Amino acid sequence: QKEVEQNSGPLSVPEGAIASLNCTYSDRGSQSFFWYRQYSGKSPELIMFIYSNGDKEDGRFTAQLNKASQYVSLLIRDSQPSDSATYLCAVGYSSASKIIFGSGTRLSIRP
Amino acid sequence: GAGVSQSPRYKVTKRGQDVALRCDPISGHVSLYWYRQALGQGPEFLTYFNYEAQQDKSGLPNDRFSAERPEGSISTLTIQRTEQRDSAMYRCASSLAEGSGGGNEQFFGPGTRLTVL
Repeated sequence: QKEVEQNSGPLSVPEGAIASLNCTYSDRGSQSFFWYRQYSGKSPELIMFIYSNGDKEDGRFTAQLNKASQYVSLLIRDSQPSDSATYLCAVGYSSASKIIFGSGTRLSIRP
Repeated sequence: GAGVSQSPRYKVTKRGQDVALRCDPISGHVSLYWYRQALGQGPEFLTYFNYEAQQDKSGLPNDRFSAERPEGSISTLTIQRTEQRDSAMYRCASSLAEGSGGGNEQFFGPGTRLTVL
């Protein structure tokens, strides 16, 4: 069983709409949660991190964490074509710095 | 300031040769991580260091892979007797702090594309 699960997509969203990306994880003791954006041929780029239950907003991005249900999500408001990329969810183990990545969700914003 | 750097950016080698991949983390970052990423997949954890100490090497595929960070800064990932299945993008990341919670956000370098012929 994969430790961090994401729908591979592609997820197609019209420009200006809200894109919703989801991730579930298996280690109930996980304490840190990250969203990375990766453009084709580039390195992963950290866009959001969250450590506490609830919502965290940064510009057009909102990360949501629900530890009881073991899921974390990323909302992108007012989606732009430049948001088209693969979004990687990563989860930090409870007792170490090691983080585990999901396989990523490919997001496509259509004009 | 400078980000994480890796060298070489591309490495082509023949099967059976040894290769050494270098990572220079962000200045002052305590933790350094090595990942391998296949096309269409997320980064796969290999190993990580806090300062010079290797904390976890559970992701290293076999004993042909080793890593070191002797002075707590630059790290080298070495693959001995390379095989074609070792071909992949090898990525390095660093973080300011160790442990879980704030400060352990990881920042990635550009990666080294290894091709084993």
